[in-house]
Amino acid sequence: RKEVEQDPGPFNVPEGATVAFNCTYSNSASQSFFWYRQDCRKEPKLLMSVYSSGNEDGRFTAQLNRASQYISLLIRDSKLSDSATYLCVVNPPPGSSYKLIFGSGTRLLVRP
Amino acid sequence: DADVTQTPRNRITKTGKRIMLECSQTKGHDRMYWYRQDPGLGLQLIYYSFDVKDINKGEISDGYSVSRQAQAKFSLSLESAIPNQTALYFCATSDLQEGGELFFGEGSRLTVL
Repeated sequence: RKEVEQDPGPFNVPEGATVAFNCTYSNSASQSFFWYRQDCRKEPKLLMSVYSSGNEDGRFTAQLNRASQYISLLIRDSKLSDSATYLCVVNPPPGSSYKLIFGSGTRLLVRP
Repeated sequence: DADVTQTPRNRITKTGKRIMLECSQTKGHDRMYWYRQDPGLGLQLIYYSFDVKDINKGEISDGYSVSRQAQAKFSLSLESAIPNQTALYFCATSDLQEGGELFFGEGSRLTVL
């Protein structure tokens, strides 16, 4: 099992739709989690951090389910500009060297 | 100007050639990283450095070496490039005091023929 797994997609949705991605992680002791956004041929950029039970930033909501070892990203009222690849990133447990573990990404296409 | 700058942005080379990718940052971060990205595989860590005297291997260090010349500079070398090192390479920095968020350079696209 990969340490961090994501559905590669693509998720193809119309503008205004609500879309959700899940990401599972294998190490139950992992402490912190992030969603990064990566546009085609560009560098990844931090979208949201997920530290406890989840958090919301405008149209974006990230949630953590420790019992089932997954995090989710919900995007409401999708915009064309939301088209990108979304990377799930997991921070190893304390005591490990600080090496974030990246999922392979979920691609989102928002159509007019 | 970008906070994390990578050079060159694009490079085409031949098998067996020595290649150096350079990274410089103006963020004042101690931690620097080199990743490679291949389609469908996500980002894989090659090497990382937590300060000038600290160099550590990542998941896929074979065939690569690094040099941390200063706090602001971290270079990646391919001593003898091979075609399966064709990839998009990213340098990144982080500061534990800023929550550990990674700040990436714009990437260096390397093609080995």
